Amino acid sequence: KAGVTQTPRYLIKTRGQQVTLSCSPISGHRSVSWYQQTPGQGLQFLFEYFSETQRNKGNFPGRFSGRQFSNSRSEMNVSTLELGDSALYLCASSLDPGLAPEQYFGPGTRLTVT
Amino acid sequence: AQTVTQSQPEMSVQEAETVTLSCTYDTSESDYYLFWYKQPPSRQMILVIRQEAYKQQNATENRFSVNFQKAAKSFSLKISDSQLGDAAMYFCASFHYGGSQGNLIFGKGTKLSVKP
Repeated sequence: KAGVTQTPRYLIKTRGQQVTLSCSPISGHRSVSWYQQTPGQGLQFLFEYFSETQRNKGNFPGRFSGRQFSNSRSEMNVSTLELGDSALYLCASSLDPGLAPEQYFGPGTRLTVT
Repeated sequence: AQTVTQSQPEMSVQEAETVTLSCTYDTSESDYYLFWYKQPPSRQMILVIRQEAYKQQNATENRFSVNFQKAAKSFSLKISDSQLGDAAMYFCASFHYGGSQGNLIFGKGTKLSVKP
């Protein structure tokens, strides 16, 4: 079974621009979660989608948004990029947290904002 | 709020020896899971082992085992017969059903070096 895939793997953007990251979960997994990883703050939860609905959201500004499609693929969008948004963005999928909470991670998208 | 604390930023072990990574957590929930994840320098986060809070028996996966002390809210990871490939960042994480679903709470991580 193919693992979680994320595209693109690397991105360089300029302050003020917007960016869209994509995540394809493991086949059959219906939940997708997004995390931001930085050296200073560690791993922080952004949001979780299940069956196209956002079920949970972390403490991030409204510039961070996401969505999930009917095939469970998910995208996250960051608008009006700031230097502090430079991070590794990790996507994780799980079958259904209510059945099996373990999450499987993708390789991440490294976003650099200049 | 639930928290996870890893008090050892860095650890080192000799190849073939045993090392234990510490983790403590705080929760008021009764139903939760605990995990150890490994993140090698390539950055792909890998699930190492999981423990269900209601199970008293410590989880084991090959050379990896945990010491789960529920009353003390402690969840340490023991790596036996350490190998060079075990060198990575190790993250302890908790998952709680009572609060927000889909939300792993991570510790800051422990960087493990393996000396040949």
